[in-house]
Amino acid sequence: GAGVSQSPSNKVTEKGKDVELRCDPISGHTALYWYRQSLGQGLEFLIYFQGNSAPDKSGLPSDRFSAERTGGSVSTLTIQRTQQEDSAVYLCASASTDTQYFGPGTRLTVL
Amino acid sequence: GNSVTQMEGPVTLSEEAFLTINCTYTATGYPSLFWYVQYPGEGLQLLLKATKADDKGSNKGFEATYRKETTSFHLEKGSVQVSDSAVYFCAYSGGSNYKLTFGKGTLLTVNP
Repeated sequence: GAGVSQSPSNKVTEKGKDVELRCDPISGHTALYWYRQSLGQGLEFLIYFQGNSAPDKSGLPSDRFSAERTGGSVSTLTIQRTQQEDSAVYLCASASTDTQYFGPGTRLTVL
Repeated sequence: GNSVTQMEGPVTLSEEAFLTINCTYTATGYPSLFWYVQYPGEGLQLLLKATKADDKGSNKGFEATYRKETTSFHLEKGSVQVSDSAVYFCAYSGGSNYKLTFGKGTLLTVNP
């Protein structure tokens, strides 16, 4: 079956602009995660959605970061007023049990 | 706090050599343990997992055993191939949100 998909695969933006990153999880997976992979910090947890429960936002690095999940499926990660330190690969994962399956990621470059 | 420590790379081996990548963790409770692999230019793929003490995860010739007494989950393969060249990440999940906590990754290069 189809895996986790993310779009765009690459995004180049200017400092101060807003960006939206999209994730389509595996159908039927109730849990959805966002992570960030950067050279300096490795892989970091950002946010977690489970069904209709309130999301766990404990990993978001600042209030410029937000995410939503519509209809328990597609999720969008929004970064407002991007900064150069936001440059990273943003990974989405979905899960139905304790095993998470990752998408290919979105490489974000902030100039 | 909770963390994962894995062997720093890079690791360079010849084809058919034996591979060990050490991984230890610090966590409360009974986490599930994972190895993920990232091939060049690709996303993270689950390689293997173990969910309780003494479980052995295995896949594609790789193995790792969940050792609670030493809080370790070392990755081994008896004979590596060039196609195993990748970055390997050790991780655990636990807590109410099951988020993954990753090690820093180990770059493996296998030469023919």
